[in-house]
Amino acid sequence: EVQLVESGGGLVKPGGSLRLSCAASGFTFSSYSMNWVRQAPGKGLEWVSSISSSSSYIYYADSVKGRFTISRDNAKNSLYLQMNSLRAEDTAVYYCARIAVAGTYYFDYWGQGTLVTVSS
Amino acid sequence: DIQMTQSPSSLSASVGDRVTITCQASQDISNYLNWYQQKPGKAPKLLIYDASNLETGVPSRFSGSGSGTDFTFTISSLQPEDIATYYCQQYDNLPTFGGGTKVEIK
Repeated sequence: EVQLVESGGGLVKPGGSLRLSCAASGFTFSSYSMNWVRQAPGKGLEWVSSISSSSSYIYYADSVKGRFTISRDNAKNSLYLQMNSLRAEDTAVYYCARIAVAGTYYFDYWGQGTLVTVSS
Repeated sequence: DIQMTQSPSSLSASVGDRVTITCQASQDISNYLNWYQQKPGKAPKLLIYDASNLETGVPSRFSGSGSGTDFTFTISSLQPEDIATYYCQQYDNLPTFGGGTKVEIK
């Protein structure tokens, strides 16, 4: 069974940093591109970042470019999101999501999400 | 960025009704359009990919159509378990989501 389990969320002050993790199991993690998608409280979905299976291709939304860094460790079946210079508008539930087929962007499996709250 | 305009933002229908949601892209996205269902407090679930392909295990009452800039998502016979918010998502370029449609039972 495919499982994605996020962790690392919490309360952080504006300007602070946080590192999210996503532990994957039930599939060959190293074969799939992975993403972070977030959802502010009561709002819609926003794609944040994508990383290819071998980390060769990395993309970011303009809203986080230069502040967030996506990475992965295929030996540990783990995806990460390093978030720096956090702002109030980064407050959201952060989901990791698997891309079903390379070269596409349809997300077939999602984690349960981890809440990041940026507030003083 | 490609903007996705989804409508309506909410709707109320009776069990058994046919429900239709539309999504319009700000530019031609071919068929690079997916639909997701999100229930309260849960992660989104992929229902339709590439505009009209039903994800494995998804009931056949869900369907999608369209290409270019105009897309439609349909529930042929609304069931109580379909109460959720539905999102379209394009991936012609980096992915963007529509604003969502909240579906309620009348």
